[in-house]
Formats: sequence, structure tokens, C-alpha cells
Amino acid sequence: EDQVTQSPEALRLQEGESSSLNCSYTVSGLRGLFWYRQDPGKGPEFLFTLYSAGEEKEKERLKATLTKKESFLHITAPKPEDSATYLCAVLITGGTSYGKLTFGQGTILTVHP
Amino acid sequence: GAGVSQSPSNKVTEKGKDVELRCDPISGHTALYWYRQSLGQGLEFLIYFQGNSAPDKSGLPSDRFSAERTGGSVSTLTIQRTQQEDSAVYLCASSFSGRGEQYFGPGTRLTVT
Repeated sequence: EDQVTQSPEALRLQEGESSSLNCSYTVSGLRGLFWYRQDPGKGPEFLFTLYSAGEEKEKERLKATLTKKESFLHITAPKPEDSATYLCAVLITGGTSYGKLTFGQGTILTVHP
Repeated sequence: GAGVSQSPSNKVTEKGKDVELRCDPISGHTALYWYRQSLGQGLEFLIYFQGNSAPDKSGLPSDRFSAERTGGSVSTLTIQRTQQEDSAVYLCASSFSGRGEQYFGPGTRLTVT
């Protein structure tokens, strides 16, 4: 069964304290791995897509990396406005649900000033 | 440009009533998805429309749930004879081709009393 696990469930950082969020996956075949940010009361906001092991993407203080088993979202010198829930999702090859994303449970990030 | 829009933003209904939730995808996007987000359940796939193909209904939890997409654009998710366990945030997303990133709307918060 395809599975996506995110850790930690919650992470509290001081402003400027860099850290990483983890997304490990067990899937039959990976077509893509996606990172989203979700603020309370809003829909997920797209951040990155990674397609193959070794790929990296950056945007401001965020950097996403991908291996054959997991992805990391590195946050460098975070600010309070980076506080949100970060969701990881995978798109798998084949199967009966060609287009669906399978999501992890998310990591709730809180950055204190 | 305009993002994915959903209406209503909030819906309170009595157990046993039918509800309709609406989604307007991003113009030009051929793929449309419905997901459900509940506390403790994460984001759960419901249904996927791609162009004129038959929809992938594999995520619908029961036959009380149905969805249609008219003219390849607007979609309506209908829940008949609502139950308290249907209370959740219903999210709609669209993507350009069904293989890339999905862009989410703000969601409809459904409360069944």
C-alpha cells in the first residue's frame, strides 16, 4: 500500500533557527513528490515539485530535496511568517487512481520571534 | 490570474439533508479533483476528472457522494442524506494536465448538526 509519512508532527523553532522537515514514502512508483504550505482556514498552497532522486528546488528560505525513499524540506533562518502546516504528497505511477495525490499528515511549524 | 474558487465557504446543514458544493477551476486546467480534510484524517482523495474521460470515483466513501463536471469546467459535489461524519473541509483542486502540480481552492467547511 502506498504510504507517506511526515515527521515530526510538530516543530517549534526560534526565529533564525534552521531545521528540516522529513517526508518518507513507500510507493509502487513515484511520478512526482509535492510540497504544500497550508495556513489555518485556507487551502494548501503549492511550493515545489520534485520528480527524480537528487533533484533540489529552492524558494526564498525553503529548499526541497529528494532521494529514492524520502524528501526533506530545509528551512533556513525561518521567520514567524513561515509558521504553517507543511504537507507532502506523492503522485504515483500506474494504479487505478492516476491523478490523485496521496498526502502525509503534515508537520505543524511554529516559529517564535 | 484567478485561482480556484469554491462556494459556499461555509455550510451548516441538518443531518439527513442534501448539500451541493461548487468548484470553479483555473481557466484552461483540464484536470479537477475533490479532496476532503478532516481532523486526524489528513487530506483524503475523493474524485478526479480529466478532460472528457470517465471520472475516477475510487475515493468516494459511499454512494451518498456524487460529483459532476459540466462543460469541462465547473464541478459540483453532492452529498445526499448527510451524516455527522461528513463534517469536514471539502477542497477542490485543478491542474493543467493531470500530471503536474495541483492548485487548491480555499475549501468549503461543512458542518452537519
